[in-house]
Amino acid sequence: DIQMTQSPSSLSASVGDSVTITCRASQDIRNHLAWFQQKPGKAPKSLIYAVSSLQSGVPSKFSGSGSGTDFTLTISSLQPEDFATYYCQQYDRYPLNFGGGSKVEIK
Amino acid sequence: EVQLVESGGGLVQPGGSLRLSCAASGFRFSDHYMDWVRQAPGKGPEWVGRIRNKAKGYTTEYAASVKGRFTISTDDSKNSLYLQMSSLKTEDTALYYCARELPDNSAYYYFDNWGQGTLVTVSS
Repeated sequence: DIQMTQSPSSLSASVGDSVTITCRASQDIRNHLAWFQQKPGKAPKSLIYAVSSLQSGVPSKFSGSGSGTDFTLTISSLQPEDFATYYCQQYDRYPLNFGGGSKVEIK
Repeated sequence: EVQLVESGGGLVQPGGSLRLSCAASGFRFSDHYMDWVRQAPGKGPEWVGRIRNKAKGYTTEYAASVKGRFTISTDDSKNSLYLQMSSLKTEDTALYYCARELPDNSAYYYFDNWGQGTLVTVSS
């Protein structure tokens, strides 16, 4: 199975800051990497697929990069609604595994 | 607007069975791959399984943790996805989401829409 490791597991940031979350796959997943945002008590929301393609309606403040095994999600100009937990997920092969999550909290 | 509404969750004893449903609307259901993803309390999401569309013969894939115990099916005439769960264990306790998939440019499938989930509690 492919293991997905996210870092940091949590971070504190202020409104207006930019943050970067890292996701590492235990094997080459090419560009089959997605990112999700989840707020407490809500379903995950799809943000990005294929490493850097934004889902419809997702603002351009979210951006993704990487290839192979190392990927990043960057959120620019943090706003109150961006404080949430973010998950990466590989869809290159079964099982379709998620990372452990990165919680972005208000400083 | 794409809508996915899960139902059928509840409290069940270990060893018991339960059937979850996901009612889809706002899109051509029969064209899509559909998945179940679960999330235990305080944990990250865990993929449960996938069913491909009619064109791909409704073939299925499962996570090892549920294979042989869970069965995914669809009824295109009712725009509905199902998860039949049997031999339930306490570790199956989770919020169960259905999710729609779309193909990316390399024809690999990613989640684009999620339901709100239905809670399954396995306890004596």
